[in-house]
Amino acid sequence: AQSVTQLDSHVSVSEGTPVLLRCNYSSSYSPSLFWYVQHPNKGLQLLLKYTSAATLVKGINGFEAEFKKSETSFHLTKPSAHMSDAAEYFCVVSEAGTALIFGKGTTLSVSS
Amino acid sequence: EPEVTQTPSHQVTQMGQEVILRCVPISNHLYFYWYRQILGQKVEFLVSFYNNEISEKSEIFDDQFSVERPDGSNFTLKIRSTKLEDSAMYFCASRGTVNSPLHFGNGTRLTVT
Repeated sequence: AQSVTQLDSHVSVSEGTPVLLRCNYSSSYSPSLFWYVQHPNKGLQLLLKYTSAATLVKGINGFEAEFKKSETSFHLTKPSAHMSDAAEYFCVVSEAGTALIFGKGTTLSVSS
Repeated sequence: EPEVTQTPSHQVTQMGQEVILRCVPISNHLYFYWYRQILGQKVEFLVSFYNNEISEKSEIFDDQFSVERPDGSNFTLKIRSTKLEDSAMYFCASRGTVNSPLHFGNGTRLTVT
């Protein structure tokens, strides 16, 4: 069975400092992995996806994530946080043909 | 860029009433989904739909829930007799192939009083 664990429920950073949102997954097969972002009162927007191609995946708004099979991790990073990055971030796992399973989410706060 | 659209954005209903949440997926997509997010909790899978039938459903999706694609563009979620605990944000999503990312709508906030 597949599952995903987001290790931090809340991360706070200062504007201009790096962002690290941690995610570990469990999957019986080669999974597809995604990060989605949810801004207040908005829908879920795809940040990036991993589907067994390059292990370092670049997404929108300067975010990237690295798939590490040995660590079963898919951490999301950004070199320099911006105020507009404050949102809820979801790590998501899917095996081919099955529904996406969401992590519990990490709230990112960015202070000036 | 094409979008998934959901209506209404906010629906208030009384306990025991039927409610229909509407979604228009992206036009060339073939796979359709409903998810929900109770306030302060994680996003939960409800049901997936492909080729005019349910392909997968969760334990949440009991007999009170049903989905329908009544025409070539709409995808609806019906709750027959709403309960207080059905209050949540309901997200519709679609994708073109089984491995492509889901595109989500902005959600319908359902409040059951």
